[in-house]
Amino acid sequence: GENVEQHPSTLSVQEGDSAVIKCTYSDSASNYFPWYKQELGKRPQLIIDIRSNVGEKKDQRIAVTLNKTAKHFSLHITETQPEDSAVYFCAANFGNEKLTFGTGTRLTIIP
Amino acid sequence: KAGVTQTPRYLIKTRGQQVTLSCSPISGHRSVSWYQQTPGQGLQFLFEYFSETQRNKGNFPGRFSGRQFSNSRSEMNVSTLELGDSALYLCASSSTGTTGEQYFGPGTRLTVT
Repeated sequence: GENVEQHPSTLSVQEGDSAVIKCTYSDSASNYFPWYKQELGKRPQLIIDIRSNVGEKKDQRIAVTLNKTAKHFSLHITETQPEDSAVYFCAANFGNEKLTFGTGTRLTIIP
Repeated sequence: KAGVTQTPRYLIKTRGQQVTLSCSPISGHRSVSWYQQTPGQGLQFLFEYFSETQRNKGNFPGRFSGRQFSNSRSEMNVSTLELGDSALYLCASSSTGTTGEQYFGPGTRLTVT
């Protein structure tokens, strides 16, 4: 079936350190992998996305890597700051206008 | 551009009742997706509409239905409400669909008692 597993469910890192969140997906036909950030009480917002023809994408302190063979993709946040504290969701589109989300990672940045 | 809006923002209903939620997408966006968000399950896909056509639906019972109007506004309806339907219902609009950036609305918080 169409499934996205996300780990860890909670993550605490010291300010300035890096954070990594990993997701695996079930369908090799998946071709679009976005990451959304949801701050407390707010709506999810896209922070970065990657398509299946690309292995890595960076945007300032945020990067996403995709391993199609292993069917997993990861979010990397470097030089973390307090405003990075939020819940992060990975997702995968299974090629049929259906976006399946992971269960989320609550990231806490410790000052 | 105005963002995605959802009405109402909060709703309290009793088991067995039905409810209709509304979503107005960003001007020019023809795709509207609906999601159910609960603490334990994260964001679960309900359905996606593009130009009044439902292109896909998630694994929810038939009590959950939706539609999209010619102006791209969308509604979702839940009939015979159950306690487990209590959740935040989010809609998201996009110019292309679920393979592009989706802009989420603030959500409708539904409580079923």
